[in-house]
Amino acid sequence: KNEVEQSPQNLTAQEGEFITINCSYSVGISALHWLQQHPGGGIVSLFMLSSGKKKHGRLIATINIQEKHSSLHITASHPRDSAVYICAVTNTGNQFYFGTGTSLTVIP
Amino acid sequence: EAQVTQNPRYLITVTGKKLTVTCSQNMNHEYMSWYRQDPGLGLRQIYYSMNVEVTDKGDVPEGYKVSRKEKRNFPLILESPSPNQTSLYFCASRPDREEGYTFGSGTRLTVV
Repeated sequence: KNEVEQSPQNLTAQEGEFITINCSYSVGISALHWLQQHPGGGIVSLFMLSSGKKKHGRLIATINIQEKHSSLHITASHPRDSAVYICAVTNTGNQFYFGTGTSLTVIP
Repeated sequence: EAQVTQNPRYLITVTGKKLTVTCSQNMNHEYMSWYRQDPGLGLRQIYYSMNVEVTDKGDVPEGYKVSRKEKRNFPLILESPSPNQTSLYFCASRPDREEGYTFGSGTRLTVV
């Protein structure tokens, strides 16, 4: 069972490119999360959203509840953005379902 | 510094020897949870707790126990570890539904 699907699985970009990572989910949710995991393994919560759009610096996350779809955009990508980006959803019961992640490499 | 602290960071143990991985947060968060991460399977939720004395099963609770006797601590207990519990474990917390999660640094457990 794959409640959360991400694409692409792997992504290589040149520094400065605009990057989009997509996430689709099949369950009813109370919130959607975008997480970042660096090669050292630590996980950082980037966004938590239940509607619309959020922006932090060069990162933008959008969600379309009707289409059960979210996107994470990175503008002016930089090598330090290289990481695994994970989409996750929480249902109304606070259970957490994760995508398998998108491995991003930004080349200088 | 606001953080979630997990201990130990690394642990190698033998099959059947009970162990506890501790998780503590200093942010007065109500919600805490445990996850395991495995290659090809990604992150999966083991248990979560909405508040003191309230715990619920996640996606993969078999072989694990938790307790939430006080708000700051949420230990993960493996009563009889088996090799298929070799994994990278993360604890996380958050204050309420409107806020994001803070993750611990992870515990890499190997059961031989």
